[in-house]
Amino acid sequence: EVQLLESGGGFVQPGGSLRLSCAASGFTFSSYAMNWVRQAPGKGLEWVSSISGRDDSTYYADSVKGRFTISRDDSKNTLYLQMNSLRAEDTAVYYCAQDILLRPGGNSFFDYWGQGTLVTVSS
Amino acid sequence: SYELTQPPSVSVPPGQTASITCSGDKLGDKYVSWYQQRPGQSPVLVIYQDTKRPSGIPERFSGSNSGNTATLTITGTQALDEADYYCQAWDSSLFVFGTGTKVTVL
Repeated sequence: EVQLLESGGGFVQPGGSLRLSCAASGFTFSSYAMNWVRQAPGKGLEWVSSISGRDDSTYYADSVKGRFTISRDDSKNTLYLQMNSLRAEDTAVYYCAQDILLRPGGNSFFDYWGQGTLVTVSS
Repeated sequence: SYELTQPPSVSVPPGQTASITCSGDKLGDKYVSWYQQRPGQSPVLVIYQDTKRPSGIPERFSGSNSGNTATLTITGTQALDEADYYCQAWDSSLFVFGTGTKVTVL
């Protein structure tokens, strides 16, 4: 059974940093691209970032480019999101999601999702 | 940047058909996925690559995609289908989600 368990969320002041983790199990982690998707309170889904399996190519939404860094440790079956220079508008539940493919692309879709971790950015 | 537009809400009587549209430039040239999100829960994939249903998703869910519009159709809508629905596509090395549609069964 595929399981994705996010952690690391919490309360942080504007300008601060936070690192989210997503522990994966039930599948061959290194063989799949992984993604972060967020949802601000009462709002819709927003794709944040993706990382390929094997070659670790990375992709970012314009809203987080230069502030967030996605990474993965295949030896630990864990996905990360390092978030720096946080803003109030980054407040959201952050989900990790498994892509069906090794590399994100036109045939991709998100097969499994975690339960999410809440990040609150406020002074 | 690429945008996917959905109607904010759709209402449907129980047992009837709900159609949720997703509009984007030349969307028919791309694959579209659809996700259901019930209140307080994580999203669930209900349609992928325009028309395919994952295992465990009821047959009453179907999808189509042509021109500038993709459509998720729920035939014989049930109370448990009440949820938010989001379309998704890939464009210029970015994923894009639609604006979301709240389906109310009344």
